[in-house]
Amino acid sequence: DQQVKQNSPSLSVQEGRISILNCDYTNSMFDYFLWYKKYPAEGPTFLISISSIKDKNEDGRFTVFLNKSAKHLSLHIVPSQPGDSAVYFCAAYAPSGTYKYIFGTGTRLKVLA
Amino acid sequence: DAGVIQSPRHEVTEMGQEVTLRCKPISGHDYLFWYRQTMMRGLELLIYFNNNVPIDDSGMPEDRFSAKMPNASFSTLKIQPSEPRDSAVYFCASSSTTGANNQPQHFGDGTRLSIL
Repeated sequence: DQQVKQNSPSLSVQEGRISILNCDYTNSMFDYFLWYKKYPAEGPTFLISISSIKDKNEDGRFTVFLNKSAKHLSLHIVPSQPGDSAVYFCAAYAPSGTYKYIFGTGTRLKVLA
Repeated sequence: DAGVIQSPRHEVTEMGQEVTLRCKPISGHDYLFWYRQTMMRGLELLIYFNNNVPIDDSGMPEDRFSAKMPNASFSTLKIQPSEPRDSAVYFCASSSTTGANNQPQHFGDGTRLSIL
């Protein structure tokens, strides 16, 4: 049973435009969310995170939005660059006394030059 | 600083053979995680350790899988006997709980395992 879902396996965007990657979760106890970026033949690298006490966190071209009532978060990349082409994973962390992240299945972003 | 180091990067072996994957976490990190990546399920947590002690192994698929962490700088994930359905990319990650909460996990570059 997938508690963190990324329903779009792939996304193509023109260079310079906005990329929006979506993530839905089912567990209302999740209180911290992260986005990881993964290039081929490399491990995922941390990109940006957001706590459930916020609804937005921004870092340069990357902004994460959290809608707790909808159990939905999104990653916006503006402007998109060819180097952003990668697989993006969202992850959720539950304060259950463990340090487990639950990852989604990933969205492959392709930025077209 | 060196990141998380995994070996081998690629492993191809025949069904029934024993497979051992290795991981060296970032120095000073007190948590170590083993994940498996598949197309269908994405990144699945198999097991994690805190201060070399296994905390949660509920993601280990079956008894053929075992993991150890004999010291703070080394962990192994073993599959015996291996089966074709074990073919996947296996990642090791580490993190620290010192400093701010919710420190992100740092991943190695993975081991691509193919069981023929």
